[in-house]
Amino acid sequence: DQQVKQNSPSLSVQEGRISILNCDYTNSMFDYFLWYKKYPAEGPTFLISISSIKDKNEDGRFTVFLNKSAKHLSLHIVPSQPGDSAVYFCAASGYSGAGSYQLTFGKGTKLSVIP
Amino acid sequence: SAVISQKPSRDICQRGTSLTIQCQVDSQVTMMFWYRQQPGQSLTLIATANQGSEATYESGFVIDKFPISRPNLTFSTLTVSNMSPEDSSIYLCSVASATTYGYTFGSGTRLTVV
Repeated sequence: DQQVKQNSPSLSVQEGRISILNCDYTNSMFDYFLWYKKYPAEGPTFLISISSIKDKNEDGRFTVFLNKSAKHLSLHIVPSQPGDSAVYFCAASGYSGAGSYQLTFGKGTKLSVIP
Repeated sequence: SAVISQKPSRDICQRGTSLTIQCQVDSQVTMMFWYRQQPGQSLTLIATANQGSEATYESGFVIDKFPISRPNLTFSTLTVSNMSPEDSSIYLCSVASATTYGYTFGSGTRLTVV
């Protein structure tokens, strides 16, 4: 049972337009959400995060929105640039017992920004 | 944030052999994490490596198949034992970030078992 779902395996967007990547989760105990970007042959790199007490967090061209009632979050990239082409992973963090927090990842969405 | 050196970056191995993946961090960290990403799947946590104690394995992963060493606070190894083609994956080590709630990852080891 996947607790974090990214239902779109791929997304293509024209350069300069908005990219919207979606993520749904099922575990109401998750209290922190993160987005990672992964280029081929590299490890994932942290992009942006949001706490469950907020509904929006913005960092430059990247904005993450959280809708707790719908258990849904989205990453908006505006404007999209060719260098944004990568796989984006949604991740959720929650207390897993014994003083530790576990990170659960979605399967990723491959974003292609077309020049 | 921490800088992680992971090696090898990729390898092609014969069925039935073992491969040890190394992860070096440029700062001392309490916990190091090992993940696997099978083709088309999400990143899945294999185990948490604690210095001075046995690693903690997630459901579906066992020490005999994925022995882990953690000799000090900057280094860990993951061995994939008695490999089969189903073990073909990307393996990543990770540490918790000191500045964000997130994690820093190594560059990954792409393993192909033939």
